Amino acid sequence: DTAVSQTPKYLVTQMGNDKSIKCEQNLGHDTMYWYKQDSKKFLKIMFSYNNKELIINETVPNRFSPKSPDKAHLNLHINSLELGDSAVYFCASSQEGRLNTEAFFGQGTRLTVV
Amino acid sequence: KNQVEQSPQSLIILEGKNCTLQCNYTVSPFSNLRWYKQDTGRGPVSLTIMTFSENTKSNGRYTATLDADTKQSSLHITASQLSDSASYICVVSESNAGNNRKLIWGLGTSLAVNP
Repeated sequence: DTAVSQTPKYLVTQMGNDKSIKCEQNLGHDTMYWYKQDSKKFLKIMFSYNNKELIINETVPNRFSPKSPDKAHLNLHINSLELGDSAVYFCASSQEGRLNTEAFFGQGTRLTVV
Repeated sequence: KNQVEQSPQSLIILEGKNCTLQCNYTVSPFSNLRWYKQDTGRGPVSLTIMTFSENTKSNGRYTATLDADTKQSSLHITASQLSDSASYICVVSESNAGNNRKLIWGLGTSLAVNP
């Protein structure tokens, strides 16, 4: 029973392509996130989203867009992929409003742009 | 600027030995501090969470300390095992955030436990 699951685990694609990464959580959480971990292993938040608002990290290019069909899913769409987009992307979820709420992470999607 | 700095960047120890990882932060106002363990190819998993009033917290062989005055935290691993090999990330939350949107992540310490 995977709490936060992402697909695919690995994604290799050419520059200029458009791709999507899917994320699903079965924890009943109301907030989901996308993080990017670069080659230096630094985790950087890209988006946080619940049914009330989408918060976008201002440094994220607008080629990246989250899509949430329902509370349990937050997919990441990337247009016109660039070499610098190569990284591991992590989806996470949490329940807002709880004191010291914790984020639960998926396994990650390793994106390689060639 | 809110920052979280960890040391050492990497560490190699022998199985059965103890080790201590350090985290210094300048995040203000402060809400809580978490230590995450990230195995290779996996997502981070929370080990401990500490609030302003907590000085120490244990989770099995992991013991975290927090000095809110000096803005320092440490993670002590006792009797290390091969499975402890991972990256350990210190994460500090800004006050009143109550959520994960204002987390400041450290770069992590890469720990290798050798037989």
